[in-house]
Amino acid sequence: LAKTTQPISMDSYEGQEVNITCSHNNIATNDYITWYQQFPSQGPRFIIQGYKTKVTNEVASLFIPADRKSSTLSLPRVSLSDTAVYYCLVVPNTNAGKSTFGDGTTLTVKP
Amino acid sequence: DAGVTQSPTHLIKTRGQHVTLRCSPISGHKSVSWYQQVLGQGPQFIFQYYEKEERGRGNFPDRFSARQFPNYSSELNVNALLLGDSALYLCASSQLAGARNIQYFGAGTRLSVL
Repeated sequence: LAKTTQPISMDSYEGQEVNITCSHNNIATNDYITWYQQFPSQGPRFIIQGYKTKVTNEVASLFIPADRKSSTLSLPRVSLSDTAVYYCLVVPNTNAGKSTFGDGTTLTVKP
Repeated sequence: DAGVTQSPTHLIKTRGQHVTLRCSPISGHKSVSWYQQVLGQGPQFIFQYYEKEERGRGNFPDRFSARQFPNYSSELNVNALLLGDSALYLCASSQLAGARNIQYFGAGTRLSVL
Protein backbone atom coordinates (compact mmCIF):
# COMPACT_ATOMS: atom_id res chain seq x y z
CA LEU A 1 0.00 0.00 0.00
CA ALA A 2 1.27 3.44 -0.94
CA LYS A 3 2.39 5.58 1.99
CA THR A 4 1.36 9.23 2.07
CA THR A 5 3.11 12.23 3.57
CA GLN A 6 1.33 15.45 4.49
CA PRO A 7 2.22 18.49 6.59
CA ILE A 8 1.23 17.95 10.20
CA SER A 9 -0.52 21.29 10.54
CA MET A 10 -1.43 24.46 8.66
CA ASP A 11 -2.91 27.79 9.70
CA SER A 12 -5.05 30.06 7.56
CA TYR A 13 -7.46 32.98 7.84
CA GLU A 14 -11.08 33.19 6.86
CA GLY A 15 -11.61 33.93 3.18
CA GLN A 16 -8.20 32.66 2.08
CA GLU A 17 -7.52 29.79 -0.31
CA VAL A 18 -5.79 26.84 1.32
CA ASN A 19 -3.67 24.30 -0.51
CA ILE A 20 -2.63 21.07 1.19
CA THR A 21 -0.10 18.93 -0.63
CA CYS A 22 0.32 15.21 -0.17
CA SER A 23 3.16 13.09 -1.50
CA HIS A 24 2.65 9.47 -2.49
CA ASN A 25 5.81 8.40 -4.29
CA ASN A 26 5.00 4.71 -4.65
CA ILE A 27 1.46 5.06 -5.97
CA ALA A 28 0.48 2.18 -8.25
CA THR A 29 -0.94 2.52 -11.74
CA ASN A 30 -4.55 1.79 -10.80
CA ASP A 31 -4.63 3.56 -7.44
CA TYR A 32 -6.94 6.51 -6.85
CA ILE A 33 -6.32 9.54 -4.65
CA THR A 34 -9.02 10.45 -2.17
CA TRP A 35 -9.28 13.21 0.43
CA TYR A 36 -11.34 13.12 3.59
CA GLN A 37 -12.18 15.71 6.26
CA GLN A 38 -12.64 14.78 9.89
CA PHE A 39 -14.02 16.77 12.80
CA PRO A 40 -13.40 15.67 16.42
CA SER A 41 -15.41 12.62 17.50
CA GLN A 42 -16.88 12.15 14.01
CA GLY A 43 -16.14 9.79 11.17
CA PRO A 44 -14.18 11.03 8.14
CA ARG A 45 -16.25 12.76 5.46
CA PHE A 46 -15.46 12.36 1.75
CA ILE A 47 -14.28 15.53 0.03
CA ILE A 48 -12.97 14.64 -3.41
CA GLN A 49 -11.38 11.84 -5.44
CA GLY A 50 -9.23 11.84 -8.54
CA TYR A 51 -6.95 9.78 -10.75
CA LYS A 52 -5.06 12.38 -12.77
CA THR A 53 -5.07 16.07 -13.82
CA LYS A 54 -7.71 18.20 -12.11
CA VAL A 55 -11.00 17.40 -10.45
CA THR A 56 -13.38 20.02 -9.07
CA ASN A 57 -16.59 19.73 -7.10
CA GLU A 58 -18.71 22.14 -5.10
CA VAL A 59 -16.35 22.22 -2.12
CA ALA A 60 -12.80 21.66 -3.38
CA SER A 61 -10.41 21.07 -6.24
CA LEU A 62 -7.82 18.33 -6.55
CA PHE A 63 -4.71 18.80 -8.64
CA ILE A 64 -2.67 15.74 -9.66
CA PRO A 65 0.49 16.12 -11.77
CA ALA A 66 1.31 13.76 -14.62
CA ASP A 67 3.63 11.57 -12.53
CA ARG A 68 0.90 11.22 -9.85
CA LYS A 69 3.51 11.17 -7.09
CA SER A 70 1.78 14.02 -5.30
CA SER A 71 -1.58 15.72 -5.13
CA THR A 72 -2.86 19.06 -3.86
CA LEU A 73 -6.21 19.69 -2.25
CA SER A 74 -7.39 23.25 -2.75
CA LEU A 75 -10.07 24.74 -0.51
CA PRO A 76 -11.35 28.09 -1.80
CA ARG A 77 -12.25 30.84 0.66
CA VAL A 78 -12.09 28.84 3.87
CA SER A 79 -14.28 29.62 6.86
CA LEU A 80 -13.94 28.85 10.57
CA SER A 81 -16.02 25.70 10.04
CA ASP A 82 -13.30 24.29 7.78
CA THR A 83 -11.07 23.80 10.83
CA ALA A 84 -10.55 20.04 10.81
CA VAL A 85 -8.09 17.26 10.04
CA TYR A 86 -7.64 16.51 6.34
CA TYR A 87 -6.48 13.08 5.19
CA CYS A 88 -4.98 12.13 1.85
CA LEU A 89 -5.45 8.50 0.88
CA VAL A 90 -4.16 6.33 -1.90
CA VAL A 91 -6.90 3.80 -2.57
CA PRO A 92 -6.06 0.46 -4.23
CA ASN A 93 -8.37 -0.17 -7.17
CA THR A 94 -8.83 -3.78 -6.19
CA ASN A 95 -9.69 -3.13 -2.58
CA ALA A 96 -11.06 0.28 -1.71
CA GLY A 97 -11.62 -0.62 1.88
CA LYS A 98 -7.98 -1.38 2.52
CA SER A 99 -7.10 2.30 2.50
CA THR A 100 -4.10 3.65 4.32
CA PHE A 101 -4.70 6.81 6.30
CA GLY A 102 -1.69 8.82 7.40
CA ASP A 103 -1.80 11.16 10.36
CA GLY A 104 -3.46 13.90 8.33
CA THR A 105 -3.07 17.68 8.26
CA THR A 106 -4.70 19.70 11.00
CA LEU A 107 -6.00 22.88 9.40
CA THR A 108 -6.80 25.75 11.74
CA VAL A 109 -8.74 28.64 10.26
CA LYS A 110 -8.51 31.87 12.22
CA PRO A 111 -10.89 34.84 12.10
CA ASP B 1 -31.54 8.23 3.32
CA ALA B 2 -29.89 7.04 6.51
CA GLY B 3 -26.13 7.09 6.58
CA VAL B 4 -23.88 4.46 8.10
CA THR B 5 -25.07 3.71 11.61
CA GLN B 6 -22.95 2.23 14.36
CA SER B 7 -23.88 0.95 17.78
CA PRO B 8 -23.26 1.49 20.55
CA THR B 9 -21.86 5.03 20.44
CA HIS B 10 -19.85 4.58 23.62
CA LEU B 11 -18.69 1.51 25.49
CA ILE B 12 -16.65 0.90 28.62
CA LYS B 13 -15.07 -2.50 29.21
CA THR B 14 -12.39 -3.93 31.44
CA ARG B 15 -9.26 -5.78 30.42
CA GLY B 16 -9.86 -9.37 29.32
CA GLN B 17 -13.48 -8.83 28.37
CA HIS B 18 -15.01 -9.30 24.95
CA VAL B 19 -16.81 -6.66 22.88
CA THR B 20 -19.08 -6.69 19.82
CA LEU B 21 -19.54 -3.58 17.71
CA ARG B 22 -22.26 -3.29 15.09
CA CYS B 23 -22.57 -1.48 11.80
CA SER B 24 -25.43 -0.95 9.36
CA PRO B 25 -24.30 0.23 5.93
CA ILE B 26 -26.09 2.67 3.68
CA SER B 27 -28.93 0.96 1.85
CA GLY B 28 -27.64 -0.64 -1.34
CA HIS B 29 -24.02 -0.76 -0.18
CA LYS B 30 -22.48 -4.21 -0.23
CA SER B 31 -19.02 -3.48 1.14
CA VAL B 32 -18.22 -2.73 4.78
CA SER B 33 -14.82 -1.87 6.23
CA TRP B 34 -13.68 -1.45 9.81
CA TYR B 35 -11.02 0.95 11.08
CA GLN B 36 -9.45 1.67 14.44
CA GLN B 37 -8.56 5.25 15.26
CA VAL B 38 -6.38 5.93 18.27
CA LEU B 39 -6.45 9.50 19.59
CA GLY B 40 -4.22 11.78 17.53
CA GLN B 41 -3.69 9.31 14.69
CA GLY B 42 -5.38 8.48 11.42
CA PRO B 43 -7.72 5.51 11.09
CA GLN B 44 -6.01 2.14 10.69
CA PHE B 45 -7.61 -0.51 8.46
CA ILE B 46 -8.80 -3.65 10.24
CA PHE B 47 -11.10 -5.57 7.86
CA GLN B 48 -13.06 -5.25 4.66
CA TYR B 49 -16.04 -7.41 3.76
CA TYR B 50 -17.79 -7.57 0.41
CA GLU B 51 -20.79 -9.77 -0.28
CA LYS B 52 -20.25 -11.48 3.07
CA GLU B 53 -16.68 -12.50 2.27
CA GLU B 54 -13.51 -11.09 3.77
CA ARG B 55 -11.67 -9.06 1.14
CA GLY B 56 -8.86 -7.68 3.25
CA ARG B 57 -7.32 -7.76 6.69
CA GLY B 58 -5.03 -5.22 8.27
CA ASN B 59 -2.17 -5.81 10.68
CA PHE B 60 -4.25 -6.68 13.73
CA PRO B 61 -4.02 -9.74 16.02
CA ASP B 62 -6.38 -12.70 15.83
CA ARG B 63 -8.27 -11.28 18.80
CA PHE B 64 -10.01 -9.13 16.20
CA SER B 65 -12.62 -10.80 14.02
CA ALA B 66 -15.57 -9.68 11.96
CA ARG B 67 -18.39 -10.93 9.83
CA GLN B 68 -20.96 -9.61 7.40
CA PHE B 69 -24.56 -10.75 7.39
CA PRO B 70 -26.91 -11.40 4.41
CA ASN B 71 -28.43 -7.93 4.90
CA TYR B 72 -24.86 -6.51 4.58
CA SER B 73 -24.69 -5.33 8.18
CA SER B 74 -21.52 -6.22 10.00
CA GLU B 75 -20.10 -6.99 13.42
CA LEU B 76 -16.60 -6.46 14.73
CA ASN B 77 -15.58 -8.65 17.65
CA VAL B 78 -12.60 -8.12 19.89
CA ASN B 79 -11.62 -10.75 22.46
CA ALA B 80 -9.37 -10.48 25.50
CA LEU B 81 -9.42 -6.70 25.51
CA LEU B 82 -6.22 -4.81 26.26
CA LEU B 83 -5.81 -1.23 27.43
CA GLY B 84 -4.36 -0.44 24.00
CA ASP B 85 -7.62 -1.39 22.32
CA SER B 86 -9.13 1.85 23.60
CA ALA B 87 -9.99 3.80 20.46
CA LEU B 88 -12.69 5.05 18.13
CA TYR B 89 -13.84 2.19 15.92
CA LEU B 90 -15.14 3.34 12.57
CA CYS B 91 -17.24 1.50 10.05
CA ALA B 92 -17.37 2.57 6.41
CA SER B 93 -19.59 1.32 3.61
CA SER B 94 -19.38 1.56 -0.17
CA GLN B 95 -21.45 0.22 -3.03
CA LEU B 96 -18.73 -2.06 -4.32
CA ALA B 97 -15.18 -2.84 -3.35
CA GLY B 98 -13.18 -1.02 -6.05
CA ALA B 99 -11.25 2.23 -5.65
CA ARG B 100 -13.81 4.39 -7.41
CA ASN B 101 -16.41 3.46 -4.84
CA ILE B 102 -16.43 6.17 -2.22
CA GLN B 103 -16.43 5.03 1.38
CA TYR B 104 -18.94 6.64 3.71
CA PHE B 105 -18.10 6.54 7.39
CA GLY B 106 -20.27 6.24 10.45
CA ALA B 107 -19.74 8.34 13.56
CA GLY B 108 -17.93 5.49 15.25
CA THR B 109 -18.03 3.62 18.53
CA ARG B 110 -15.82 5.00 21.29
CA LEU B 111 -14.39 2.04 23.23
CA SER B 112 -12.68 2.61 26.55
CA VAL B 113 -10.85 -0.31 28.15
CA LEU B 114 -10.10 0.11 31.85
